[in-house]
Amino acid sequence: GAVVSQHPSRVICKSGTSVKIECRSLDFQATTMFWYRQFPKQSLMLMATSNEGSKATYEQGVEKDKFLINHASLTLSTLTVTSAHPEDSSFYICSARDSSRNTGELFFGEGSRLTVL
Amino acid sequence: KQEVTQIPAALSVPEGENLVLNCSFTDSAIYNLQWFRQDPGKGLTSLLLIQSSQREQTSGRLNASLDKSSGRSTLYIAASQPGDSATYLCAGYDKVIFGPGTSLSVIP
Repeated sequence: GAVVSQHPSRVICKSGTSVKIECRSLDFQATTMFWYRQFPKQSLMLMATSNEGSKATYEQGVEKDKFLINHASLTLSTLTVTSAHPEDSSFYICSARDSSRNTGELFFGEGSRLTVL
Repeated sequence: KQEVTQIPAALSVPEGENLVLNCSFTDSAIYNLQWFRQDPGKGLTSLLLIQSSQREQTSGRLNASLDKSSGRSTLYIAASQPGDSATYLCAGYDKVIFGPGTSLSVIP
């Protein structure tokens, strides 16, 4: 149980295009999901907290208009990188908390590697 | 502001050794601490979760402890195996802040 699926796992796009990454909790409901960015050989950097039915909470320094987050259902959050540029190339990972548990335990997706040409 | 550090940054050991990874956090107000492993190019796999009311958790060869008063957690790996080679990350929350990780290499 507690599986989080991310799609796509890899995506290559041209500069200026937009890319959408999906994060799904497959066997549980998640009122809260988190999006992270990870640069090579570095730890995860929290980008934003995605809240079902409300606006995402962005961390300081993360552009809201650049990284659009939508959490329209209890099992799906999406991250859209708008007008992507080469510097947006990175590994993006999502995590989710099972709303039925009160442990706060996080479950992670497998990550999505974005390459912007 | 919560900061999480991990020592050592990298560790290489021969197979069979017992080892300890350390995680320190600046704000004792964390309520949970979770240890993960990450294989290259992959997402994170949860290893152990220590809730605020707990002091340690065990799973197989892994044991994690939490001392909120000193702001430290340790992950103990017994009888290390080559398959344990990965990066180990700790995270404290409710504000999810990750440490930089410890890169572990277990030599056969």
